[in-house]
Amino acid sequence: DGGITQSPKYLFRKEGQNVTLSCEQNLNHDAMYWYRQDPGQGLRLIYYSQIVNDFQKGDIAEGYSVSREKKESFPLTVTSAQKNPTAFYLCASSTTWGSGNTIYFGEGSWLTVV
Amino acid sequence: QQPVQSPQAVILREGEDAVINCSSSKALYSVHWYRQKHGEAPVFLMILLKGGEQKGHDKISASFNEKKQQSSLYLTASQLSYSGTYFCGTGTGGYQKVTFGIGTKLQVIP
Repeated sequence: DGGITQSPKYLFRKEGQNVTLSCEQNLNHDAMYWYRQDPGQGLRLIYYSQIVNDFQKGDIAEGYSVSREKKESFPLTVTSAQKNPTAFYLCASSTTWGSGNTIYFGEGSWLTVV
Repeated sequence: QQPVQSPQAVILREGEDAVINCSSSKALYSVHWYRQKHGEAPVFLMILLKGGEQKGHDKISASFNEKKQQSSLYLTASQLSYSGTYFCGTGTGGYQKVTFGIGTKLQVIP
């Protein structure tokens, strides 16, 4: 079945550590996204990639980094510079970049700072 | 700019109808609707594109009023499975990003 796989589902981070969230899609989509979800704030765009080997900052990119070396993979690193990383993280993809395309979401990853 | 959704929350009894609104201060190219259960992936419901169209499947439909820069999601004869948070996302151009509202929490009770 085609879809978007995120791992791990739950992750705990100690302060000062970097952590990487994995996102893999087998939908053959060019565009991929990372969103952060906090209670009462909806979905906020962290980074997006329109095509392999290219990515752009979204609305809240500070403290995060990404790479897009393969079409199917778009990992997100939450660095120690992100002061409040506890949140639900959603990876997504669409056929191509642009607001006329349907965005499909993965199951999400919960990150908690301990 | 983030679209504004209303109401913020609504409680329905099974079989009742609901309308969720999504408004933007900018001209819209697209409106996306999703439903999300807590801790799960948002599930795509429908996308409406510039042209003032209406879409629907089963008992869930939506309209897009381009002139008023708003969309409405209609839930008819609600079922318990309709409970969740409904998000609208809006795009202001074909090559622009989608910006999501903060959601409308809908609870259907027996």
